[in-house]
Amino acid sequence: NAGVTQTPKFQVLKTGQSMTLQCAQDMNHNSMYWYRQDPGMGLRLIYYSASEGTTDKGEVPNGYNVSRLNKREFSLRLESAAPSQTSVYFCASSEFLRDQPQHFGDGTRLSIL
Amino acid sequence: KNEVEQSPQNLTAQEGEFITINCSYSVGISALHWLQQHPGGGIVSLFMLSSGKKKHGRLIATINIQEKHSSLHITASHPRDSAVYICAVRTSGGGADGLTFGKGTHLIIQP
Repeated sequence: NAGVTQTPKFQVLKTGQSMTLQCAQDMNHNSMYWYRQDPGMGLRLIYYSASEGTTDKGEVPNGYNVSRLNKREFSLRLESAAPSQTSVYFCASSEFLRDQPQHFGDGTRLSIL
Repeated sequence: KNEVEQSPQNLTAQEGEFITINCSYSVGISALHWLQQHPGGGIVSLFMLSSGKKKHGRLIATINIQEKHSSLHITASHPRDSAVYICAVRTSGGGADGLTFGKGTHLIIQP
């Protein structure tokens, strides 16, 4: 009964390093999302994928890239990490893009030094 | 861009009290979500509604589309209800998809 699985759970990077956050869902959902959560702010959408083979920018896409590898997996890449990208990152999925409950992973806590 | 405001930001109550958390938004929506974020950080979807009222156990969510307002009620509150409750909306009429989130209401229920 895994739902949405994110890896890693914690990561510390140095400025300029790159890394990929992984997300996989086992609910056969079509749509997947990446959010970031910062203190004092609501969750903000980084990128989303309405269906396999499509990706679109959200509210705060700068500094990130995504890949919808297949229906199950949606990864988020930081090419050159910056301290402003220190945040908690959540992956979510839903059956379809609009007006469906979203299921969230447990989050990845990322610190950029 | 839709603005989502939640009140109160913080709420401390005694076990057994009736709890109300409010959410207001600025433009028309197709759906409103209530989410619960546990102290450990995990986020769970509680309700998705576009009209009327929904009930699940001790939780009740209502929405008034004309007033652009929703409330989440918790009856017979319990310490395990302590969490951050988040309101999120999907704006109707197209544009970039995804939800716009409120900043959350931090609820503490004391025994």
